[in-house]
Amino acid sequence: AQSVTQLDSHVSVSEGTPVLLRCNYSSSYSPSLFWYVQHPNKGLQLLLKYTSAATLVKGINGFEAEFKKSETSFHLTKPSAHMSDAAEYFCVVSSGGGADGLTFGKGTHLIIQP
Amino acid sequence: SAVISQKPSRDICQRGTSLTIQCQVDSQVTMMFWYRQQPGQSLTLIATANQGSEATYESGFVIDKFPISRPNLTFSTLTVSNMSPEDSSIYLCSVENPRDLDEQYFGPGTRLTVT
Repeated sequence: AQSVTQLDSHVSVSEGTPVLLRCNYSSSYSPSLFWYVQHPNKGLQLLLKYTSAATLVKGINGFEAEFKKSETSFHLTKPSAHMSDAAEYFCVVSSGGGADGLTFGKGTHLIIQP
Repeated sequence: SAVISQKPSRDICQRGTSLTIQCQVDSQVTMMFWYRQQPGQSLTLIATANQGSEATYESGFVIDKFPISRPNLTFSTLTVSNMSPEDSSIYLCSVENPRDLDEQYFGPGTRLTVT
């Protein structure tokens, strides 16, 4: 069994300040972990993916995430927030084998204050 | 990457009626997936649809309530039957990245409100 917990339903930051979106997971396997972003009225888009090659993963739009096995965490960060980052972010864990192996977190709504 | 479109983008329906949601992909794909995203909840997989065979439903979802068609390699429909307010959700379709089966490409979703 596997699960994902996104620790914050909403995060609000000022433009130009750092972003931290927290995610903890549990898995019986060596998991693959993802962050997806969903802009209003748009489909989910893959930000980045961890597959055990490197613990620090760089994604699109300046985002990165660090896999910490000891803390079972996969937090998403960005050094400087931009207004266009306002969106819903989903942490996802995969046990492998396609869509039926994916477990989604409940999402974190990121608000960027001008 | 695949480009996926869904119709309608949103709808408001009366209880007891049915709505069919269409999903179109710009390339041929073997498997298509349907998800539900209830308000304040995470995405839940409803079923997997392979072309030319019956859809495979996840626990808690049944064909009578959510019939799915998959007539060709670029198109699928999901029907939400005999709707109740509890069916109010965003419904999304997705396809796998053929080079990385863990990765999904998602459509923009259909926002359904049942009154």
